[in-house]
Formats: sequence, C-alpha cells, structure tokens
Amino acid sequence: GQQVMQIPQYQHVQEGEDFTTYCNSSTTLSNIQWYKQRPGGHPVFLIQLVKSGEVKKQKRLTFQFGEAKKNSSLHITATQTTDVGTYFCAKGAQKLVFGQGTRLTINP
Amino acid sequence: GAVVSQHPSWVICKSGTSVKIECRSLDFQATTMFWYRQFPKQSLMLMATSNEGSKATYEQGVEKDKFLINHASLTLSTLTVTSAHPEDSSFYICSAPAAGMTDTQYFGPGTRLTVL
Repeated sequence: GQQVMQIPQYQHVQEGEDFTTYCNSSTTLSNIQWYKQRPGGHPVFLIQLVKSGEVKKQKRLTFQFGEAKKNSSLHITATQTTDVGTYFCAKGAQKLVFGQGTRLTINP
Repeated sequence: GAVVSQHPSWVICKSGTSVKIECRSLDFQATTMFWYRQFPKQSLMLMATSNEGSKATYEQGVEKDKFLINHASLTLSTLTVTSAHPEDSSFYICSAPAAGMTDTQYFGPGTRLTVL
C-alpha cells in the first residue's frame, strides 16, 4: 500500500529549542494520527487530524494537517527532556500504516 | 482510559521453539485486535488483524502458518510464533480500537522476543 514518508529520521536539539517532524503522502488522506514512543516503550496516541487545514494544539505541541490532506506536521515548542522519544505519524483507520518515525534526542 | 495488556513483556527462547504472546483488553471488549512487529530502530509494521470468532487476516509477506493468531474471546488475542528463529527476534505489539472511537487505537506495552 501507499506509504507515509516521514522526515527527518533523527533530530538532536538542545533543550529549549523547537522541533518539527513532517509527514507526506502521495495520496489524499482521510485522516492522520500521531503517536509518541518513548525508548523501550510502546506507541501512545497523541492526536488525530481529520479536517483539511486543521491545526490542533496540546500544550507545547502543535499539529497541522495540510490543506490538500497530503501532509502533516508536529511541532514542539521549547523542547524539554521529557519530549525524548520517537514520533510517528500514521494513516488509516484501524489498520494503521506508520511513517518511519522521527527520533528526537535532547541535550539538557 | 482503555488499557491493553500483553504477556509476557519479554521472552528469550531457543531457536526452533514456539512462543505464545497474549494480548488482553482489560476494561473493554475488542472484536478486532491488531498485531504489529517492530524491529530495532524501525517503524511498526502491521502483521495481521485478529478477528474474534473468525480467522485472522494477514498482511502481505506474513506467513500465517508461522504466526498463528487465535482470538478466543472478546478480550483476548494470542499470537504464537512457531519454530522461532533469530530473525524473528523483534518487538511485538498488539492494539485494539477504543470502544466508540473507531479511529483511535490503544497499544499494548509490547513483548520483546529474543530468539537465540
């Protein structure tokens, strides 16, 4: 099936810096979900975006869904060490197709 | 919120043995559960869909005779890795859709399988 491309693969930032990960699809998506996986842990659902151009915020996290519903981004403002982990986007309803993930590491 | 558990959390076995992994929905019923596999530093890949009362459906490239799935009840799905080999070493994670929220998945804590 069509994959979801996610970049960058890795991102290392200083604590307090911002972080963004991007997902792109060649086809229009009905929705996109974002998950966070801590090292050694399992994916934890963060949010689902459904509407074209949708923007949702969770504290320091801002999620966007493109107007064409083919791309999405997750932006973290002023990263903290607790933000360390791998962030995945995923398409699909119940059978999820995950992006490759962006591994975020933070220098305290 | 809904909780999905897995047992065991980790297992080490010898090559050629079979390993059973359990996935339970603790406070809700799940007619469907999903099994994913994640190799180190890689993404999650869907292996199969477990259906209560019927056969599991497998993704392309996943051997159904090697990865046996049984969805015995509305709260339990099992994945048995038969005749495990070192290349089957991976992190196996199940998920179940949240009741009333068909697009939200709750993931189990995962089972780390190491085959020697």
